[in-house]
Amino acid sequence: DGGITQSPKYLFRKEGQNVTLSCEQNLNHDAMYWYRQDPGQGLRLIYYSQIVNDFQKGDIAEGYSVSREKKESFPLTVTSAQKNPTAFYLCASSTASGPTYEQYFGPGTRLTVT
Amino acid sequence: GQQVMQIPQYQHVQEGEDFTTYCNSSTTLSNIQWYKQRPGGHPVFLIQLVKSGEVKKQKRLTFQFGEAKKNSSLHITATQTTDVGTYFCAGPNTNAGKSTFGDGTTLTVKP
Repeated sequence: DGGITQSPKYLFRKEGQNVTLSCEQNLNHDAMYWYRQDPGQGLRLIYYSQIVNDFQKGDIAEGYSVSREKKESFPLTVTSAQKNPTAFYLCASSTASGPTYEQYFGPGTRLTVT
Repeated sequence: GQQVMQIPQYQHVQEGEDFTTYCNSSTTLSNIQWYKQRPGGHPVFLIQLVKSGEVKKQKRLTFQFGEAKKNSSLHITATQTTDVGTYFCAGPNTNAGKSTFGDGTTLTVKP
């Protein structure tokens, strides 16, 4: 089956710790995205990557970092500098980068930091 | 940056009633996409509109793109409990390569 996988589904961390969220796709998509969703709110873009070894900041990149060493993988690290890290994190991919391309979303990771 | 506003934020309907959500932009959009997110789930692409005045239908769902390409709507006829979820519109951002999502309209359906 083709698709996007995110793991784990639920993640708990203590404040002050960095944590890395996994995102893998086997759709052969060039573009990948990370969004944050807070309760009752929309999707806010954290980072996106149009091609391997390249990525750009989204609207709320502070306190986050990413890498794109492989086409299939786009891990997100939530650093201790992120002031309110508890949220639902969604990874997405599309054939190419741009607003006319349908985005496929993974199942998401719910991160709780206490 | 580009802003896409959605109204209403919440809508509660009785099963069988109709439902409409609206997406508005202050600038002209080259295209608009609609996604649905079921409770506890992830967004799933529904449709994309590109042409001015375009109307597309998917069973009980009707999508419209305004003549000026600054607004769009999603109308559901005779809602069912399977329609519950949050409906998002997404439009192009001023920066190439990404979209801006509206805050969504959350629909609840009372059986």
